[in-house]
Amino acid sequence: RKEVEQDPGPFNVPEGATVAFNCTYSNSASQSFFWYRQDCRKEPKLLMSVYSSGNEDGRFTAQLNRASQYISLLIRDSKLSDSATYLCVVNGLTGGGNKLTFGTGTQLKVEL
Amino acid sequence: NAGVMQNPRHLVRRRGQEARLRCSPMKGHSHVYWYRQLPEEGLKFMVYLQKENIIDESGMPKERFSAEFPKEGPSILRIQQVVRGDSAAYFCASSRQGSSNQPQHFGDGTRLSIL
Repeated sequence: RKEVEQDPGPFNVPEGATVAFNCTYSNSASQSFFWYRQDCRKEPKLLMSVYSSGNEDGRFTAQLNRASQYISLLIRDSKLSDSATYLCVVNGLTGGGNKLTFGTGTQLKVEL
Repeated sequence: NAGVMQNPRHLVRRRGQEARLRCSPMKGHSHVYWYRQLPEEGLKFMVYLQKENIIDESGMPKERFSAEFPKEGPSILRIQQVVRGDSAAYFCASSRQGSSNQPQHFGDGTRLSIL
């Protein structure tokens, strides 16, 4: 079983749609959680940290369920510029080591 | 540009040569991380360094790969006697502190191609 699992997609959605991505992680000792986006295999860019209480940044909402070891990202009112690969990222998988473990990413294509 | 700086952007080497990849962290950041992304795969952790110290090298291949982060100058990822399988994008990231809740910020990467 992969340490961080994501549906690879692609998700093809029309502009203005709401789209949700899910991610599961295997190690209950994981400490911190993030969503990054990566465009065409360029550098990953931090989208947002994910907290147990849930957090929102504009059109983006992230949720963490520690009991289910499940992370989600909701994008409302999709824009063409949201087209990218969204990476679910977990830190602290190996008992405190400060290393990020990446999912393989979910590809989003927003279309006119 | 105050971001993480990596050079070169692209590096071509023949099998058996050495590759040196450089990374300067963001200003004020003393923690550096190297990740590798093989074609069609996700990013994989390689090594975590703080000035003059290797903190975690559990993701480094046992042979041919080494990393350093000297007191002065950039962090260097060195690959000796490169093979075709080393072709990948190598990303460096930095953070201000070493706690797990600190986001890591990435450089543009070095695309290494082995002929």
